[in-house]
Amino acid sequence: QVQLQESGPGLVKPSETLSLTCSVSGGSISSYYWSWIRQPAGKGLEWIGRIYTSGSTNYNPSLKSRVTMSVDTSKNQFSLKLRSVTAADTAVYYCARETSFFYFYYMDVWGKGTTVTVSS
Amino acid sequence: DIQMTQSPSSLSASVGDRVTITCRASQIISNYLNWYQQKPGKAPKLLIYAASSLQSGVPSRFSGSGSGTDFTLTISSLQPEDSATYYCQQSYSTPLTFGGGTKVEIK
Repeated sequence: QVQLQESGPGLVKPSETLSLTCSVSGGSISSYYWSWIRQPAGKGLEWIGRIYTSGSTNYNPSLKSRVTMSVDTSKNQFSLKLRSVTAADTAVYYCARETSFFYFYYMDVWGKGTTVTVSS
Repeated sequence: DIQMTQSPSSLSASVGDRVTITCRASQIISNYLNWYQQKPGKAPKLLIYAASSLQSGVPSRFSGSGSGTDFTLTISSLQPEDSATYYCQQSYSTPLTFGGGTKVEIK
């Protein structure tokens, strides 16, 4: 079955750029939305944004000015860049696949998550 | 943004109890509502999509209902492995938003 794996640095300095990649295995990356979600320790889930395999994106307005997502269908990967990070960006970052049933979208496959700490 | 409000924020129940979690949207979202279960240190797991459709492989003791702004997740007979935090999420419009979570503990 489809599996997702996040990868990237676990420690990022303040004001620098957080870069994560999600690798998709066991299936094709094509024809799905792919989302990034984060969760600060002990807190709830925050949707960062998503990208379709065509490259079309939707970002959370709260992060839009700092976020860029991209997709590489040849590598079955998609990526997240979050610029100018602060301690408030410290969280577990998840990637997830959005599947649709008619017009209903839901995140049915999730990566295990990767912890990113912003600290000097 | 559509705000999702869950209640209660936590509950404690005994094995075999019927448990109900409520989620309210700040505007009408039809039945564009999903439910997830998250255990400590793990990624969320999809339970219910489109308000009432059970995801494949999820035990039938889980059910969802509601439409418009008010939704419920019901566990018909609580099991020890159901100890977790449950989140609702609207897929009506972006930004996608989650409820604050309901932590379910076993007495």
